[in-house]
Amino acid sequence: EAQVTQNPRYLITVTGKKLTVTCSQNMNHEYMSWYRQDPGLGLRQIYYSMNVEVTDKGDVPEGYKVSRKEKRNFPLILESPSPNQTSLYFCASSLRRDTGELFFGEGSRLTVL
Amino acid sequence: GNSVTQMEGPVTLSEEAFLTINCTYTATGYPSLFWYVQYPGEGLQLLLKATKADDKGSNKGFEATYRKETTSFHLEKGSVQVSDSAVYFCALHLYNQGGKLIFGQGTELSVKP
Repeated sequence: EAQVTQNPRYLITVTGKKLTVTCSQNMNHEYMSWYRQDPGLGLRQIYYSMNVEVTDKGDVPEGYKVSRKEKRNFPLILESPSPNQTSLYFCASSLRRDTGELFFGEGSRLTVL
Repeated sequence: GNSVTQMEGPVTLSEEAFLTINCTYTATGYPSLFWYVQYPGEGLQLLLKATKADDKGSNKGFEATYRKETTSFHLEKGSVQVSDSAVYFCALHLYNQGGKLIFGQGTELSVKP
């Protein structure tokens, strides 16, 4: 089954404790992206990757890091989480960057205390 | 700048009612337009798309027409069902923006039996 898998789905953590949200897709997609969803703001792009070892900032990259060492994986790293990073995070992928047809994971709800 | 504006929700309808969710956009260049749907507890799924002016996207009884003259992409359905209850996101895609989807804030639809 074609899917984008994120882990963990739910996490409560404390300020400053490094965490990683993993994302994996099994569709051999070139393009992967992270979004955060906040009430009244829709989804905003954090980082994206057009292929292995190619990553770039989206609209709200501050406080986040990413890497793309393998085509299928695109982890999101919060080196020192703060309460303003409490949000619902989605990983998404598409065959290429020019389609706009994203496949989304089920989301990771993160709470930073 | 590039942006998407949707009508505010929540929208509450009775089963078999007619649905319209308004979406207007501002964009430089020639965007593709999308509607995504998010069912409770799930990630977003592509509902329909249109890639150029006057195109009509359709899926599962939903339709939207790309109107360049009014910069709009309103979502319509002739007869909603309880199973259509979800949050609907309008989005635009610009190839030269790193493949980013720019989302509206989302409109929650609740359909009562």
